[in-house]
Amino acid sequence: DVKVTQSSRYLVKRTGEKVFLECVQDMDHENMFWYRQDPGLGLRLIYFSYDVKMKEKGDIPEGYSVSREKKERFSLILESASTNQTSMYLCASITAGVGYTFGSGTRLTVV
Amino acid sequence: GEDVEQSLFLSVREGDSSVINCTYTDSSSTYLYWYKQEPGAGLQLLTYIFSNMDMKQDQRLTVLLNKKDKHLSLRIADTQTGDSAIYFCAESEKPGGSYIPTFGRGTSLIVHP
Repeated sequence: DVKVTQSSRYLVKRTGEKVFLECVQDMDHENMFWYRQDPGLGLRLIYFSYDVKMKEKGDIPEGYSVSREKKERFSLILESASTNQTSMYLCASITAGVGYTFGSGTRLTVV
Repeated sequence: GEDVEQSLFLSVREGDSSVINCTYTDSSSTYLYWYKQEPGAGLQLLTYIFSNMDMKQDQRLTVLLNKKDKHLSLRIADTQTGDSAIYFCAESEKPGGSYIPTFGRGTSLIVHP
């Protein structure tokens, strides 16, 4: 089975801190994605990447950046965390065949 | 742009059938998915259907597709308390590549004992 691993389940950070959310997949997939999930709003796409060093903006990229230095790792960066970035963050990789495989999520609280 | 709509909540009694509905607008949708999210977890692909199919059955799950009305449903037979979760409908033209699925906002299924 494809595994998508997010390094932290829960994070608490202070306003203004630089925050790194890490995601690693183990099946050599080219396509990786970062979403945030908020109650009543569903999933919103932040950034995605088709290949190493490639990135594309999703629907809500403001306040975020990403890094894809290696194929298996896709990092989401909050340059200066703000309270409105408190959310559940989900990483996904395209499964061979159909559909995404998602990580377990990182619940980030910015205080 | 594409849109996927679902009702936000569904409450059923244990042992009853649950039917979760979804409508979509993109007529070029080829793949339609159902994902399940248990509390505190990521999304898990539950099942999917191709647009050239009307129905797909997998144990307690039945997916029905009405392509003319752009309506997708997920029926869970003999619903159990362990089925309590958020169910997301999603559609895409193709899997992978530049075809990014569009997700609905999710339906919270609450199963009462």
